[in-house]
Amino acid sequence: DSGVTQTPKHLITATGQRVTLRCSPRSGDLSVYWYQQSLDQGLQFLIQYYNGEERAKGNILERFSAQQFPDLHSELNLSSLELGDSALYFCASSVNPGRSSGNTIYFGEGSWLTVV
Amino acid sequence: DQQVKQNSPSLSVQEGRISILNCDYTNSMFDYFLWYKKYPAEGPTFLISISSIKDKNEDGRFTVFLNKSAKHLSLHIVPSQPGDSAVYFCAASRGDALNFGKGTSLLVTP
Repeated sequence: DSGVTQTPKHLITATGQRVTLRCSPRSGDLSVYWYQQSLDQGLQFLIQYYNGEERAKGNILERFSAQQFPDLHSELNLSSLELGDSALYFCASSVNPGRSSGNTIYFGEGSWLTVV
Repeated sequence: DQQVKQNSPSLSVQEGRISILNCDYTNSMFDYFLWYKKYPAEGPTFLISISSIKDKNEDGRFTVFLNKSAKHLSLHIVPSQPGDSAVYFCAASRGDALNFGKGTSLLVTP
């Protein structure tokens, strides 16, 4: 158990809909990351937050957004869903924001999203 | 643009032998490299890491080698055990979020 909690574990929704994925980081971790894993892709970095502020942005679509709340939990919002958005979405956390070497991040078990 | 590449999608090794997983990267600014292991239906778990100031880091049966001039790193598992069967992801960082390869699926057969 990494200490990173993600809900829901599985979600099936229709195209055009909107969903919210939730993540609670490890105790004491200030940085939260979101990654997407599709069938034929590795782990694609979406976005990072540190202590409530956006820190880095990766291959995140405009239809997707995220935020980190004062209690440090984070939510990833996916809207106008398309079939191609079906994937495993991972949240990860770390203590520091990653500005120095040695930033190991710890992953949750993921949220399976299926768009039908 | 894939900055971290794992060119072997799969690898099969006999129990007790050495498993060598390879990874190449393109960004010379990367200064921290990690390997993660992932079982089905679980999140990736941290395995071992190496800083760019080193060329080798060892932890039990796992050793990571870094060749900066070739922009190449490898993970050696000796001896391989059936429980090592999983997908292994290589990751690299330049002080921000980790960039992952697509993974290599390792199968260790008895």
